[in-house]
Amino acid sequence: NAGVTQTPKFRILKIGQSMTLQCTQDMNHNYMYWYRQDPGMGLKLIYYSVGAGITDKGEVPNGYNVSRSTTEDFPLRLELAAPSQTSVYFCASTVNWGGGASYEQYFGPGTRLTVT
Amino acid sequence: KNEVEQSPQNLTAQEGEFITINCSYSVGISALHWLQQHPGGGIVSLFMLSSGKKKHGRLIATINIQEKHSSLHITASHPRDSAVYICAVTIGNQFYFGTGTSLTVIP
Repeated sequence: NAGVTQTPKFRILKIGQSMTLQCTQDMNHNYMYWYRQDPGMGLKLIYYSVGAGITDKGEVPNGYNVSRSTTEDFPLRLELAAPSQTSVYFCASTVNWGGGASYEQYFGPGTRLTVT
Repeated sequence: KNEVEQSPQNLTAQEGEFITINCSYSVGISALHWLQQHPGGGIVSLFMLSSGKKKHGRLIATINIQEKHSSLHITASHPRDSAVYICAVTIGNQFYFGTGTSLTVIP
């Protein structure tokens, strides 16, 4: 298994540009998450999904959009990039058999995004 | 307000020392997780706890549900243990993370 894969690893965007961060997992996990990590701060949840066709906002969703058309893929879309979106983005997945997300979370390698 | 507080923020130890990292949380949780983030940035899960104690090699994690507190212990620390250790809790479908403890083990 490849686990959780993310592309690209690095990206520089100009203010106002848009891009999609890709995330794929091959573990048949139903729960998937997008986080951003800023220096000195804990991981902050952007969006999450509990299954194909279902998404929900996290703590910091503004400026982002997601979709979940398949179990495997959970892309994150940045529209009109701003310098405040400079961060490291992590995708993660976990399995849930009931009772909330109480199982081990698997992380992708991260995407380092700079908006200038 | 952060639901998860970790201490210390930074920790430097000599090789071989016993290390303790603490995590406190403020609300009822489904589970508590300890994660490790290496300088290269990758994040791996070390433990998931809902009660008691777990051990994996030189790492031990404990949780006290009544006191809303968990500790991660590293016995016989080694330079390769140098990393950021992150405490996280699950509340419903979401994970909430502490800001991490940066550990440096000096040979």
